[in-house]
Amino acid sequence: KQEVTQIPAALSVPEGENLVLNCSFTDSAIYNLQWFRQDPGKGLTSLLLIQSSQREQTSGRLNASLDKSSGRSTLYIAASQPGDSATYLCEWMDSSYKLIFGSGTRLLVRP
Amino acid sequence: GAVVSQHPSWVICKSGTSVKIECRSLDFQATTMFWYRQFPKQSLMLMATSNEGSKATYEQGVEKDKFLINHASLTLSTLTVTSAHPEDSSFYICSAREGAPANTGELFFGEGSRLTVL
Repeated sequence: KQEVTQIPAALSVPEGENLVLNCSFTDSAIYNLQWFRQDPGKGLTSLLLIQSSQREQTSGRLNASLDKSSGRSTLYIAASQPGDSATYLCEWMDSSYKLIFGSGTRLLVRP
Repeated sequence: GAVVSQHPSWVICKSGTSVKIECRSLDFQATTMFWYRQFPKQSLMLMATSNEGSKATYEQGVEKDKFLINHASLTLSTLTVTSAHPEDSSFYICSAREGAPANTGELFFGEGSRLTVL
């Protein structure tokens, strides 16, 4: 069974810290991996999409990397702000085009 | 980015009634849309893949007669929860990506629909 593991499950940090969220997957033959944020009671907002041929993507204070050989992706958040508080989910598409989601990391950035 | 719209955002219904949730891609055509349900503090569980013009593909354990999916056009998929019961109360979310089913492009999500069955 294909799985996605996200570590840590929850994280509470003071404002201004740099953060690293981890996502591990079981199939190295992925097509792409996408990071989302979800605010309480809301849908998902796409943050970054990394195709299998790419190593990383950057958007503003966010940087996501992909290492297929080790089955890992990391989401780096620089200079965290209270508005970054949300649940962060990673999702990957496996070789059969099936979408698999991690359980998420609940982030709280304290003012 | 592209926009996916869900309606209604929330609905409360009595046990035994049916509820329809709509998912629309507003500025792109989506051959394939996906339906998920999410329980509190848990990740998304893929229920089914909705294919325009053909039958939906359901994940193992999801009752196709309970959760009816129709994808009649390239911009609209509907999920109907038939004869809803309290255990069907959940957050339902749809997503879509542009183009062919095997497209590996960016996935866009609706805002979700919270269903409460009394």
